[in-house]
Amino acid sequence: EAAVTQSPRNKVTVTGGNVTLSCRQTNSHNYMYWYRQDTGHGLRLIHYSYGAGNLQIGDVPDGYKATRTTQEDFFLLLELASPSQTSLYFCASSLLGGEDTQYFGPGTRLLVL
Amino acid sequence: QQQVRQSPQSLTVWEGETAILNCSYENSAFDYFPWYQQFPGEGPALLISILSVSDKKEDGRFTIFFNKREKKLSLHIADSQPGDSATYFCAASYNTGYQNFYFGKGTSLTVIP
Repeated sequence: EAAVTQSPRNKVTVTGGNVTLSCRQTNSHNYMYWYRQDTGHGLRLIHYSYGAGNLQIGDVPDGYKATRTTQEDFFLLLELASPSQTSLYFCASSLLGGEDTQYFGPGTRLLVL
Repeated sequence: QQQVRQSPQSLTVWEGETAILNCSYENSAFDYFPWYQQFPGEGPALLISILSVSDKKEDGRFTIFFNKREKKLSLHIADSQPGDSATYFCAASYNTGYQNFYFGKGTSLTVIP
């Protein structure tokens, strides 16, 4: 089964702080995704990538940057964190994108005070 | 606009009953519908999926019923077990263009022993 890891698992920062969430997949998948999950909203796509150096905008990209440094590693950057970005963040990967199965990491819980 | 809608938001059934989770969608171009299961503290994981060319898909106790004309589908969980208590997400995609799923907001299922 595909392995997706995320770090940190929990993070607390203050408004205006700088946060980087990390995701690594070890299954040579081409596509990687960042989602946020909030009560009443389900899963919402922030950014995704289909390979190293590539970045695609998702449905809720405002306030977020992302970078895919290698095929394995995908980072989500919050450069000026705001309380509205308090959420549970999931990374996922899939081999082919589209209708291919996405494998999710365990999530990172972020609290912005 | 919410592309995928789920109901009910939460559902409680007794052990042994059949749980029915509903999903509807807007875009008639969607042709693939996965259901993801999420346990507390974990990321979602693919449970079962169906292509729009089929009207039914079974996998053990889990069955998807699909009505293309009405743009509706449902997940039936037969002989529900306490271990089925989780949040279930319906998702939809099409195999061109947007390389991602549209997720519903989820249904939280509780199975009482």
